[in-house]
Amino acid sequence: DAKTTQPTSMDCAEGRAANLPCNHSTISGNEYVYWYRQIHSQGPQYIIHGLKNNETNEMASLIITEDRKSSTLILPHATLRDTAVYYCIVRVGSGGSQGNLIFGKGTKLSVKP
Amino acid sequence: GAVVSQHPSWVICKSGTSVKIECRSLDFQATTMFWYRQFPKQSLMLMATSNEGSKATYEQGVEKDKFLINHASLTLSTLTVTSAHPEDSSFYICSARDFRGGDTIYFGEGSWLTVV
Repeated sequence: DAKTTQPTSMDCAEGRAANLPCNHSTISGNEYVYWYRQIHSQGPQYIIHGLKNNETNEMASLIITEDRKSSTLILPHATLRDTAVYYCIVRVGSGGSQGNLIFGKGTKLSVKP
Repeated sequence: GAVVSQHPSWVICKSGTSVKIECRSLDFQATTMFWYRQFPKQSLMLMATSNEGSKATYEQGVEKDKFLINHASLTLSTLTVTSAHPEDSSFYICSARDFRGGDTIYFGEGSWLTVV
């Protein structure tokens, strides 16, 4: 079973920031938080991941709480092409033997004009 | 990010026949690849972990004799659906583990299988 909890759906206005929350209260010390998104009928796309520090790349920012029990993915300026299902996944990373990704239901983000 | 490619993107086959789906890591070597299936309006379900040079590890409930996985090289894993039936119709997605600069998993574009 997935070890994360996400809202089923969210709406966001085009051009505004989209903040997608994720709860992972049972995360272990060696587990990373990964975010992927899946646009309809395509394979999931990697967005970002982090362990405990906040991370930023060209796609998004990841804010992880100090206790690591929750995180927020931020798309700073959402566009219509960001409409997708967003998955928050905890996973043992950096060479751990249990490296697979277990998907939950994710959050369906709808960006509206 | 790294590039993972699947082929074919879609395939239609007759019931009782076998169909092979290929997954390639184009710009990195992948000792570990994963195979998922996804039914409409559902999330991805992990089917098996494919390890280069050894037998695949199947998830509970996945028939290893029906879904044959071969990972003969560091850039190619194949999934063969044997004796396909209409209920095998699904979206099959592979992913590959990229250890360059860390440990990140990248996905292919997916393959639609329709069994008629």
